[in-house]
Amino acid sequence: IVMTQSPATLSVSPGESATLSCRASQSIRNNLAWYQQKRGQAPSLLIYGASTRATGIPARFSGSGSGTEFTLTISSLQPEDFVVYYCQQHYNWPLTFGGGTKVEIK
Amino acid sequence: QVQLVESGGGVVQPGGSLRVSCAASGFTFSRYSIHWVRQAPGKGLEWVVVIETNGATSFYADSVKGRFTTSRDNSKNTLSLQINSLTPDDTAVYYCAKEFENGKWFFDYWGQGALVTVSP
Repeated sequence: IVMTQSPATLSVSPGESATLSCRASQSIRNNLAWYQQKRGQAPSLLIYGASTRATGIPARFSGSGSGTEFTLTISSLQPEDFVVYYCQQHYNWPLTFGGGTKVEIK
Repeated sequence: QVQLVESGGGVVQPGGSLRVSCAASGFTFSRYSIHWVRQAPGKGLEWVVVIETNGATSFYADSVKGRFTTSRDNSKNTLSLQINSLTPDDTAVYYCAKEFENGKWFFDYWGQGALVTVSP
């Protein structure tokens, strides 16, 4: 299953919202996870099951979608949110990731 | 707290071999499948392999099948990834990652990663 993220880079002003997209090449139902990766660090889990926030994740992060189209919304962007985000399908083998979206300061 | 700590990365020549290890603590290691995920410099994430709880079952990405072998020792809470016939395309940070729950194929804890560089 090919996962395609768009855009590759998203320029947003602090305090505004960001909408990141992830598309699957076939239906993965709601089996989608989102990760955040800060520079020089391992990824960390944000969202799983398309819309369930992982433990300790702030409410400004929300996920939606099912089937082939998914969205990660980050409301009121904080300085620490300007990093890279990856989606991953957890529906079928082999597990696959999207290419990532970098959220940068506008 | 849950910790995964990789070791064993380094520089190896093309065609060479390397073993990367992962030491786990803070959870019941034997109850969770563990995955390896790699990331080439400046690139995205690539899932590599999963080893199930009993260590008898593993699934590999096609890109590494036949060259990579993973194993685990539940008595020592450790995991290893043997990488053979290395090519420059294998240059990456190798992460071990804990599966959220058995059958839930996403990762709630990751190690800090071990850098493997394949270079003449």
